[in-house]
Amino acid sequence: AQSVTQLDSQVPVFEEAPVELRCNYSSSVSVYLFWYVQYPNQGLQLLLKYLSGSTLVKGINGFEAEFNKSQTSFHLRKPSVHISDTAEYFCAVSKNSGGSNYKLTFGKGTLLTVNP
Amino acid sequence: NAGVTQTPKFQVLKTGQSMTLQCAQDMNHNSMYWYRQDPGMGLRLIYYSASEGTTDKGEVPNGYNVSRLNKREFSLRLESAAPSQTSVYFCASRGLYEQYFGPGTRLTVT
Repeated sequence: AQSVTQLDSQVPVFEEAPVELRCNYSSSVSVYLFWYVQYPNQGLQLLLKYLSGSTLVKGINGFEAEFNKSQTSFHLRKPSVHISDTAEYFCAVSKNSGGSNYKLTFGKGTLLTVNP
Repeated sequence: NAGVTQTPKFQVLKTGQSMTLQCAQDMNHNSMYWYRQDPGMGLRLIYYSASEGTTDKGEVPNGYNVSRLNKREFSLRLESAAPSQTSVYFCASRGLYEQYFGPGTRLTVT
């Protein structure tokens, strides 16, 4: 079974500062990795995903993440945040093998608060 | 395309009442999922349907039933609601790799 640990439940930052949201996963098989964002009172929206290939993945809204297989990590970064980035961010993992029905296992979320 | 739609948006139930949450997708996806979201717990899978005609339990299935009515629709039923089922419920469908989520149903059981 897979598991996901998001190391920070809350991350406060000032506008235009860089931010890193940390995610570690555990799995005995190869995985796909995802970051989703949830704005207040909304559903989840995909930010980016790692399937294979280049370990640096770029997503929407200027976010990027780096897959590190040896450290089993998939940290999310943005060089300069905006007030509008205030949201909850979820890291998720699924097996990449057939027959797994691609069930997602989610971390508990990191609330990013961007202050002026 | 509407994507994934859910009804109702909000619902208040008394303990012991029943209700069905509706979900529909217009993306021709085979797989659909029901999650619940509780503060500090992330999203937990209740049931999923890999294809029309099949359903399977997820991590927290107790107290719920599901029906995959056709390829588009996947409903979640609470037969006898309990306060522990107060939560936000999300439906999702899966494309090639990622899942697409509906806007959620906020359910309160008193």
